[in-house]
Amino acid sequence: QKEVEQNSGPLSVPEGAIASLNCTYSDRGSQSFFWYRQYSGKSPELIMSIYSNGDKEDGRFTAQLNKASQYVSLLIRDSQPSDSATYLCAVNILKGTGANSKLTFGKGITLSVRP
Amino acid sequence: KAGVTQTPRYLIKTRGQQVTLSCSPISGHRSVSWYQQTPGQGLQFLFEYFSETQRNKGNFPGRFSGRQFSNSRSEMNVSTLELGDSALYLCASSWAAGNTEAFFGQGTRLTVV
Repeated sequence: QKEVEQNSGPLSVPEGAIASLNCTYSDRGSQSFFWYRQYSGKSPELIMSIYSNGDKEDGRFTAQLNKASQYVSLLIRDSQPSDSATYLCAVNILKGTGANSKLTFGKGITLSVRP
Repeated sequence: KAGVTQTPRYLIKTRGQQVTLSCSPISGHRSVSWYQQTPGQGLQFLFEYFSETQRNKGNFPGRFSGRQFSNSRSEMNVSTLELGDSALYLCASSWAAGNTEAFFGQGTRLTVV
């Protein structure tokens, strides 16, 4: 099983729709979860972080975490063409005692928002 | 507050040469991580430095090395370059090691010919 896995894409939604991006992870002890957005030719930009079970909302973005099921998701409401990018899920994977945790990324999913 | 600065932005090297990339983290951040990004493999973790000590290392050959200075600036070095080393190299800075938010620099695009 891959350490961090994201749905294969690409994902295409119409403008104004809700885009739902999902991610699963293998290490049950992981404590930190992040979503990054990467535009073509640019570096990843942190858009959400979540540490506790439940939902965390920031503007049009909502991150959802379920540690029991080992998944984290990102919802983008009222999707805009400017949201078209690759979204990367990142999990702080623990190694041993946790002193050697490392931020591990999924392969990313490309979102396209159609005008 | 300045962001993460990576230099150079673009680099073309010949197979067999070596290269050194630099990363200056956000002021006050003490952790620097390096990643390699390629279309096929995505973002692959290289290593992380905190307070001048390598804290964690990914599954890359010994040709890839790094270091961190007392001012938290970091360098990574790749020796005996191979064509497959062509990639975007990204540096991420965090205020501490472990479960904290990481912020990326613009990256260095390395092309090996």
